[in-house]
Amino acid sequence: AQSVTQPDIHITVSEGASLELRCNYSYGATPYLFWYVQSPGQGLQLLLKYFSGDTLVQGIKGFEAEFKRSQSSFNLRKPSVHWSDAAEYFCAVDEYGNKLVFGAGTILRVKS
Amino acid sequence: DTGVSQDPRHKITKRGQNVTFRCDPISEHNRLYWYRQTLGQGPEFLTYFQNEAQLEKSRLLSDRFSAERPKGSFSTLEIQRTEQGDSAMYLCASSPTRPDQNTEAFFGQGTRLTVV
Repeated sequence: AQSVTQPDIHITVSEGASLELRCNYSYGATPYLFWYVQSPGQGLQLLLKYFSGDTLVQGIKGFEAEFKRSQSSFNLRKPSVHWSDAAEYFCAVDEYGNKLVFGAGTILRVKS
Repeated sequence: DTGVSQDPRHKITKRGQNVTFRCDPISEHNRLYWYRQTLGQGPEFLTYFQNEAQLEKSRLLSDRFSAERPKGSFSTLEIQRTEQGDSAMYLCASSPTRPDQNTEAFFGQGTRLTVV
């Protein structure tokens, strides 16, 4: 079965520091991959998505992610974190176009 | 376009009671999804509709759960004889078609269910 692994449950970074959130997936075919962000008590907001083509995708709020097929990874990055980026981040894979399979999430804390 | 709307935002119910949640998708969106999110976990797929047709149901959706989307517009999710294990955030999402390069699924803010 398809699965998504986010190995880091919590990450703490200082404001202005760079960020990388890890995501690994298990999927037989070429995956459609997503990163979502969720603030406490809120729904999910799409940050970026990968379907095909350029393996480095740009998203909103200054985030980017790189698809590496050889490593089955889709890591999320941001060069300089802002306090407002504190939230929970979810990686997801599109399963046959019918639903999203999510990882367990990574909680990002930002130190001032 | 007011986004995906879910009602109520919060629901506290006693074990054994029935509850019903409503989701109003973005107008013109043909696809509507329900997910469940428990504390510390990512959302898990429950079911989805293409217009009024319910095309897939997860094994998580026990016989106590039923979802409808009459006329292909809003959807309801009913849980009968609630159990404490049903306590979760129930998220609804909609998309115009299968999400691709040009479209995406938009999520509502969810309904937080607490069974006491």
